[in-house]
Amino acid sequence: SQQGEEDPQALSIQEGENATMNCSYKTSINNLQWYRQNSGRGLVHLILIRSNEREKHSGRLRVTLDTSKKSSSLLITASRAADTASYFCAYYGNNRLAFGKGNQVVVIP
Amino acid sequence: GEEVAQTPKHLVRGEGQKAKLYCAPIKGHSYVFWYQQVLKNEFKFLISFQNENVFDETGMPKERFSAKCLPNSPCSLEIQATKLEDSAVYFCASSQSRVESGGYTFGSGTRLTVV
Repeated sequence: SQQGEEDPQALSIQEGENATMNCSYKTSINNLQWYRQNSGRGLVHLILIRSNEREKHSGRLRVTLDTSKKSSSLLITASRAADTASYFCAYYGNNRLAFGKGNQVVVIP
Repeated sequence: GEEVAQTPKHLVRGEGQKAKLYCAPIKGHSYVFWYQQVLKNEFKFLISFQNENVFDETGMPKERFSAKCLPNSPCSLEIQATKLEDSAVYFCASSQSRVESGGYTFGSGTRLTVV
């Protein structure tokens, strides 16, 4: 199956800094979503961007989508220790939501 | 309820034994999805349902895996004759539609350990 891939895989930052993650995918999509997974927990939906949108904001989150490059980025501004988690992009295509490998983000207080 | 309830949280089975996992989707959600996550890494799609009908089962290893979503019962995922490589966390998700404007709602998962 074709899945999104994030870059970088692991990120360690100081509290207050911004964290940026990228995701690329290979097929046409209807929408792209970002999820957070805290250790030992399920996925929590963060934000969804539709294929006809280029940028979307939600609180401290900003997601961009470039369908010509088949890529997306997630920016977390003013990071907090509670943002420590793994972040996954997922895109909807071929009747299913496919996930990438995930970025582990560690925010150091 | 407003959460996807998965049971049990942990399950240990000897190799060759059967494992059965349950998922109660959010009331009113028509779609249910099962994913397998190995080593905190990728989420592998297994199967999806639209109500009690299989919508997409192309991710299922059919020789040992089966799943059902019957009316008025939790959905279930059953693994016959478990193997060591089946050890993973199995997540269930539900949504009102296939293309969900709010994303899917995931349960907390069932951690299956095959020994």
